[in-house]
Amino acid sequence: QVQLQESGPGLVKPSETLSLTCNVSGASINSHYWSWIRQSPGKGLEWIGYIYYTGSTNYRPSLKSRVTISIDTSKKHFSLKLSSVTAADTAVYFCARGGDGYNFLRFDYWGQGTLVTVSS
Amino acid sequence: EIVLTQSPGTLSLSPGERATLSCRASQTISNSYLAWYQQKPGQAPRLVISAASSRVTGIPDRFTGSGSGTDFTLTITRLEPEDIAVYYCQHYGGAPPTFGQGTKVEVK
Repeated sequence: QVQLQESGPGLVKPSETLSLTCNVSGASINSHYWSWIRQSPGKGLEWIGYIYYTGSTNYRPSLKSRVTISIDTSKKHFSLKLSSVTAADTAVYFCARGGDGYNFLRFDYWGQGTLVTVSS
Repeated sequence: EIVLTQSPGTLSLSPGERATLSCRASQTISNSYLAWYQQKPGQAPRLVISAASSRVTGIPDRFTGSGSGTDFTLTITRLEPEDIAVYYCQHYGGAPPTFGQGTKVEVK
């Protein structure tokens, strides 16, 4: 079955760059849209952006200046970089797979999530 | 950006009771691109309903989604202990997709 697993540092200093990777197994990464979503007590669930296997991306407007999502199809993983982080970026970060066809912004499969804390 | 408002914030019910969860959108959601997710503590959200009323494979038939336009409802008939969770609605008709703030279903 489709499985996603996030990995990366759990602690990032303010003003630095948050970097996470999502490994995909049980499915081809050469299809569907792949998203990052975060969840914090203050802002709830918040979509960050997606990438398609072709490299096409779309980001949340409020984060667009700080976000980069990339994909490595040979390694079956995609990654998130969020620059200039502040305490407001502290959250559980999830990777997720979009649904089929027009449902690509519906999230059918999720990783377990990883807590990233921004603190000095 | 479509804002989704869920009510109530918390629903306290006894097992066997009916749960009715509401999700109201700030503008019409086209083609009923509205999903419901269930999230238990320490877990990722799990898709339970898509297209406003289509139950996902493996979800018990006590879960029913309804609605269109700006008003949507998730109903859980005969609440079971394993249904205790936070439920989120989400629109996925365009970017950015957005989520409601959630309704917590707890045992009375």
